[in-house]
Amino acid sequence: AQSVSQHNHHVILSEAASLELGCNYSYGGTVNLFWYVQYPGQHLQLLLKYFSGDPLVKGIKGFEAEFIKSKFSFNLRKPSVQWSDTAEYFCAVNALNAGKSTFGDGTTLTVKP
Amino acid sequence: DAGVIQSPRHEVTEMGQEVTLRCKPISGHNSLFWYRQTMMRGLELLIYFNNNVPIDDSGMPEDRFSAKMPNASFSTLKIQPSEPRDSAVYFCASRQNGELFFGEGSRLTVL
Repeated sequence: AQSVSQHNHHVILSEAASLELGCNYSYGGTVNLFWYVQYPGQHLQLLLKYFSGDPLVKGIKGFEAEFIKSKFSFNLRKPSVQWSDTAEYFCAVNALNAGKSTFGDGTTLTVKP
Repeated sequence: DAGVIQSPRHEVTEMGQEVTLRCKPISGHNSLFWYRQTMMRGLELLIYFNNNVPIDDSGMPEDRFSAKMPNASFSTLKIQPSEPRDSAVYFCASRQNGELFFGEGSRLTVL
């Protein structure tokens, strides 16, 4: 069975600080990887995704993530966060032969103005 | 496209009452998921359908919960009887090419 681990439950940063949120998954086969963001009071929406090709993926709002297959990791990064990035971030894995997507527990990011 | 449409957006009911949540997936998406989100338990997958067929309902908490998908454009999640611990935001999502598209959610409060 696939599983996803997000190491940080709550991260607090000041504006302009750099961000890295960890995500590790356990599954031996081919996977699709996702980061979703949930702004306060809203639904989850896609931030970025990796299917194949360049392991460095760029998403919306200046976010990027790097797939490191040997480490089973897909960490999310942003060089300079803004107050509007305050949200909950979910890493998700969809194994190609599994029907469902598996989500991590989420990381709450609070950016102080 | 209007996206995934859920109704009602908010529902307040009393313990013991039946609750029905509705979802219209994005046209052409053949997988539909029901999630529940609470502060205590986070995001939980309740059940998902492929081509209108329930595939995995292992996340459904108990027999009080049931879900149907009579056709490709409509699904319901029913709780009968409802209990205060069912209070949560229930999200429906449809999927295409691995990507999930979530609805706005239905916030349920059971008094």
